[in-house]
Amino acid sequence: QVKLVESGGGVVQPGGSLRLSCSASGFSFRTYAMHWVRQAPGKGLDWVAATSFDGSDKFYADSVKGRFTISRDNYRNILYLHMNSLRADDTAVYYCTRLTNWEEAVYWGQGTLVAVSS
Amino acid sequence: DVVMTQSPLSLPVTLGQAASISCRSSEGLVYSDGNTYLNWFQQRPGQSPRRLIYKVSNRDSGVPDRFSGSGSGTDFTLKISRVEAEDVAIYYCMQGTHWPRTFGQGTKLEIK
Repeated sequence: QVKLVESGGGVVQPGGSLRLSCSASGFSFRTYAMHWVRQAPGKGLDWVAATSFDGSDKFYADSVKGRFTISRDNYRNILYLHMNSLRADDTAVYYCTRLTNWEEAVYWGQGTLVAVSS
Repeated sequence: DVVMTQSPLSLPVTLGQAASISCRSSEGLVYSDGNTYLNWFQQRPGQSPRRLIYKVSNRDSGVPDRFSGSGSGTDFTLKISRVEAEDVAIYYCMQGTHWPRTFGQGTKLEIK
């Protein structure tokens, strides 16, 4: 079955960096676009970034552009989110998701918590 | 960026009664291929989100038929025909037409 497992979250100081990973299994990872969506404590869903199936196209929310980089390793079936210049308002659970616009099922991981605090 | 505005933000409903959530986009959501990429998600307490509806009105596999989506252009609606206890959740619309993708603020459905 499809599994998405995020890792790499933790506590980081303002201005610091972190790299999140999402290990995918149970489907042909290299043929799907992948996204990161976050959710601050007690708040709504906030779309962060996406990469095309081959990594050639990348898209970002304005709030993270220039600070976050999405990437993927299609040999190891891993999605990454490199986060730099972290701010307090980046504190959230970060979800990896196979988000599609079509009838194919949408899958989400369980999320990894990033807390930016001094 | 396309702004997605949901209403109401809080929705108390009696079990067995109908519920309706509105979602309005600041720009039209028709893509160049003619499709309208408007999705609805459900997030139960403590769980990851789950998609209910894609392309305005298509139910995902396993979604009960009491959930329905409708709308066009910039105005969309999610309806639950007879609310059950398991429907207590926050519901989000999300547009998949324009970059960056954007979600509505969420509507919290609770039982009266």
